[in-house]
Amino acid sequence: DTAVSQTPKYLVTQMGNDKSIKCEQNLGHDTMYWYKQDSKKFLKIMFSYNNKELIINETVPNRFSPKSPDKAHLNLHINSLELGDSAVYFCASSQPSGRFVEQYFGPGTRLTVT
Amino acid sequence: AQSVTQLDSHVSVSEGTPVLLRCNYSSSYSPSLFWYVQHPNKGLQLLLKYTSAATLVKGINGFEAEFKKSETSFHLTKPSAHMSDAAEYFCVVSALNQAGTALIFGKGTTLSVSS
Repeated sequence: DTAVSQTPKYLVTQMGNDKSIKCEQNLGHDTMYWYKQDSKKFLKIMFSYNNKELIINETVPNRFSPKSPDKAHLNLHINSLELGDSAVYFCASSQPSGRFVEQYFGPGTRLTVT
Repeated sequence: AQSVTQLDSHVSVSEGTPVLLRCNYSSSYSPSLFWYVQHPNKGLQLLLKYTSAATLVKGINGFEAEFKKSETSFHLTKPSAHMSDAAEYFCVVSALNQAGTALIFGKGTTLSVSS
């Protein structure tokens, strides 16, 4: 059973398009996250949701909008895609939110903007 | 502010020899530290974590790490490398503020294992 799943695995699109990445976790966790991994493999948090409520929103362009329909899902919608958005996006979850708690990561979505 | 510095961007070892991946941390309070591994085109998997219970932490696949407060280090070791250990390794510190918890990642160390 996949604990944290993401769809699609690969996403190739053109500049200016709008796209969404979906994330689902079956671990019963209350907190979910989105991270971005750039071309140099550097990972940085973008958003954190706790029980459907946004609790972390790092300096991310407002073209990126997370949506959490329920605590098992956290989707990432990106408007007006730009070349610099090309990256691997990872979803993660944890239970509960706290600094001693590990986060479980999905397999990643590789976004390529042409 | 919390941060980690991975001292080597690339480490190469031969199969069967020891592995040492170095990580220093900076933290304004007692840190929570992790090592994650990322195999090519895969997601991130937790190797081990330090939560102040014991300074020597054992993880999966024979890896372990030792927390040394005096040196602000959390180096990852394995006695004998296997070809399947070739991957990207991330040292991570957990940062907690009023907004919630975020993992702060190091820049990663690429481990190559030759036969």
